[in-house]
Amino acid sequence: ELKVEQNPLFLSMQEGKNYTIYCNYSTTSDRLYWYRQDPGKSLESLFVLLSNGAVKQEGRLMASLDTKARLSTLHITAAVHDLSATYFCALDGAGGTSYGKLTFGQGTILTVHP
Amino acid sequence: NAGVTQTPKFQVLKTGQSMTLQCAQDMNHEYMSWYRQDPGMGLRLIHYSVGAGITDQGEVPNGYNVSRSTTEDFPLRLLSAAPSQTSVYFCASSEQGAGATEAFFGQGTRLTVV
Repeated sequence: ELKVEQNPLFLSMQEGKNYTIYCNYSTTSDRLYWYRQDPGKSLESLFVLLSNGAVKQEGRLMASLDTKARLSTLHITAAVHDLSATYFCALDGAGGTSYGKLTFGQGTILTVHP
Repeated sequence: NAGVTQTPKFQVLKTGQSMTLQCAQDMNHEYMSWYRQDPGMGLRLIHYSVGAGITDQGEVPNGYNVSRSTTEDFPLRLLSAAPSQTSVYFCASSEQGAGATEAFFGQGTRLTVV
């Protein structure tokens, strides 16, 4: 059974600071997603990571994947208030085949303060 | 292009009532799935489908039924609503096959069972 654990679950940051959210998972998987969710809204796709060593960047967010360590990170650079949201990692394809059945981490609630 | 459309957005049910949450996608995706989101628990998979006529259970299937008669539609039925089914429900769809395909989510249905 695939387990996905995120930490921290709560993150309070000052604007301008850097921080990293970690996503650990228990078995091999076909692909890893990072999503953002604003309060009362749906999930917005940020990144899809497929292979070991994959790194993707969009604005102040950068995601990486280490399949050997079963670890993905979401790094936030010079945080701004607009990044305040809940961030989820999710994996598809436990055992190596994707079927559109995602296993989610618990989510990290990020609050960026002035 | 509407993407994934869920109806209704909000619903209040009495214990024991039944209802169907609708989900439709217009992207010709093979994979569709239903999740529930509860505070502090991320999203959990209820049922999923890899194509018309094919469905399977996810992590928390009890009390829910699904069917997939067409590629576009994947309704979720609550047979006899219970307060424990109070949650936010999301439908998602994604493409079959290899590659960095993202999973698209509907806007969610907020269900309260009293």
